[in-house]
Amino acid sequence: DTVLTQSPALAVSPGERVSISCRASEGVDSYMHWYQQKPGQQPKLLIYKASKLAFGVPARFSGSGSGTDFTLTIDPVEADDTATYFCQQSWNDRTFGGGTKLELK
Amino acid sequence: QVQLKESGPGLVQPSQTLSLTCTVSGFSLTNYDVGWVRQPPGKGLEWIGEIWSGGNTHYTPPLKSRLSISRDTSKSQIFLKMDSLQTEDTAMYFCARSRYHDYFDYWGQGVMVTVSS
Repeated sequence: DTVLTQSPALAVSPGERVSISCRASEGVDSYMHWYQQKPGQQPKLLIYKASKLAFGVPARFSGSGSGTDFTLTIDPVEADDTATYFCQQSWNDRTFGGGTKLELK
Repeated sequence: QVQLKESGPGLVQPSQTLSLTCTVSGFSLTNYDVGWVRQPPGKGLEWIGEIWSGGNTHYTPPLKSRLSISRDTSKSQIFLKMDSLQTEDTAMYFCARSRYHDYFDYWGQGVMVTVSS
């Protein structure tokens, strides 16, 4: 199966720019999607097909990448962005990354 | 508006069968795929499987032998059955609408399932 690797955690200050990475064990073209999950809630779709902004998601969120390396960028970061962010591929069945916990300083 | 809601027993004994229902509204199961995703406490997300709008099913290989996903389109319900439950199956189980066999755009709130005697 296709393994997605994410850094476990990041800490940034409000107003800064943050990039969250996701690396696939094999190429997934642009079939990478990003979700935000806050404690006690279900995941929320942010980005689909690597760079397309989901409906209702602020333009502070953006996605890039293709093949094996993908990035979710938040610019500027706000306090409400404290959450865990997951990538998910749909090139080979479906798999999720382990998640990156974003904390604000 | 689009809504999904999971229901099922909160506690299942080891070796027993888990049965969950996902009731949807705001869209038709003959037009959209629906998948199941689980999350053990404090851990990440795991795709379990899905049923496509045409009725085909797809399961994650590690669980395929224990899983069955079906639906009743007239009741707008999706069913998940998993056999031979073990403690490691303890998790929050989510159902979610899938677009184009790719991403999940709407999620239910989830149902917590604990496997314990």
